[in-house]
Amino acid sequence: EDQVTQSPEALRLQEGESSSLNCSYTVSGLRGLFWYRQDPGKGPEFLFTLYSAGEEKEKERLKATLTKKESFLHITAPKPEDSATYLCAVQVAGYALNFGKGTSLLVTP
Amino acid sequence: SAVISQKPSRDICQRGTSLTIQCQVDSQVTMMFWYRQQPGQSLTLIATANQGSEATYESGFVIDKFPISRPNLTFSTLTVSNMSPEDSSIYLCSVARESREEQYFGPGTRLTVT
Repeated sequence: EDQVTQSPEALRLQEGESSSLNCSYTVSGLRGLFWYRQDPGKGPEFLFTLYSAGEEKEKERLKATLTKKESFLHITAPKPEDSATYLCAVQVAGYALNFGKGTSLLVTP
Repeated sequence: SAVISQKPSRDICQRGTSLTIQCQVDSQVTMMFWYRQQPGQSLTLIATANQGSEATYESGFVIDKFPISRPNLTFSTLTVSNMSPEDSSIYLCSVARESREEQYFGPGTRLTVT
């Protein structure tokens, strides 16, 4: 059975304290791995898509990487506005996205 | 990206009633989807809304409980039928141009069933 596990469940950082969020997956035939950001009361906001091991993508303070078993979302020098829940999803066949439960990030001033 | 709106944004409904949620996109899209996000759980795909034909449902979801319409390339509805408290959740629509591309999500509809 395809599984997506995100860790940690919750993370508290001080402003400027860099860290990484993990998304590990066990799927057969990964078509793509997606990262989303979700603020309270809102729908998920698309961040990145990664298609193959070794691929990396960056956007402002965020950098996503992919290996054959996991993906990392690195957050460099985070700011309070980076506080949100970060969701990882894998796509195996067709169109369905299989989501993890997310990592709730809180960045304090 | 696409601008997606959902109506209503939230509702409180009584057990046994039905609620229809609307999803409107600002441009034509190939694929539209409906998800459920229950407290403490992962986002789960309910079905793919197909234009001009019956929706494609994921395992565990059935048409009698979640009828879906998609009359054109910019609009879809999801009905939650004969509701019970277990249906209390956030319901989200999403869109994509092609199956392998990223999906963009609407703001969600927060449903509480009493």
